[in-house]
Amino acid sequence: EIVLTQSPGTLSLSPGERATLSCRASQSVDSTYLAWYQQKPGQAPRLLIYDATNRATGIPDRFSGSGSGTDFTLTISRLEPEDFAVYYCQHYDSSPFTFGPGTKVDI
Amino acid sequence: QVQVVQSGAELKKPGASVKISCKASGYTFTANYMHWVRQAPGQGLEWMGWLNPNTGGTNYAQKFQGRVTMTRETSVSTAYMELTSLRSDDTAVYYCARGGDYKEFLQHWGQGTLVTVSS
Repeated sequence: EIVLTQSPGTLSLSPGERATLSCRASQSVDSTYLAWYQQKPGQAPRLLIYDATNRATGIPDRFSGSGSGTDFTLTISRLEPEDFAVYYCQHYDSSPFTFGPGTKVDI
Repeated sequence: QVQVVQSGAELKKPGASVKISCKASGYTFTANYMHWVRQAPGQGLEWMGWLNPNTGGTNYAQKFQGRVTMTRETSVSTAYMELTSLRSDDTAVYYCARGGDYKEFLQHWGQGTLVTVSS
């Protein structure tokens, strides 16, 4: 089973600042089968990034994903007020398709 | 547009079973896997498994093997997830989510179904 670790646990930033979120896998994730999701309180998660670097439909270009192998990054170039949420990474390389524990981005 | 709509909240006693439905629309139901994910109160996301609506094939996380069954009824474009022998720590919001067109990222999510297990 691939275990995902996210850091930091909480990121305290202000609107307009850059956010850098890390996701590390316990073993190499093949073919960049990694996604990022955003979840706001009381809502279902929303797909942001798939295949490590591809933005999902309708996702603003201030969100970007990078990385390969065991180290992946989600970057939010300039935080908007609506970006304060919890972010999860997930791999879909091999079952089980585990999630990381999440990073909370707050003000 | 793609929509995935789940059944309503459930209150169950320990030892009971729950069956949640997930109705899909706006695409060909049999073309994409359906995944189930749960989230305990204040906790993170936990992947439970997937269902292939075309074949009925399933893949369950080991943690849930023996307690979970994922099925579908293609005539009504609906997937189901049944969890048996419920315990208090099964209290969670359960989500179904449609997989991508060629890889299993979770592209479209249902609204979630709260299952509360309490005596």
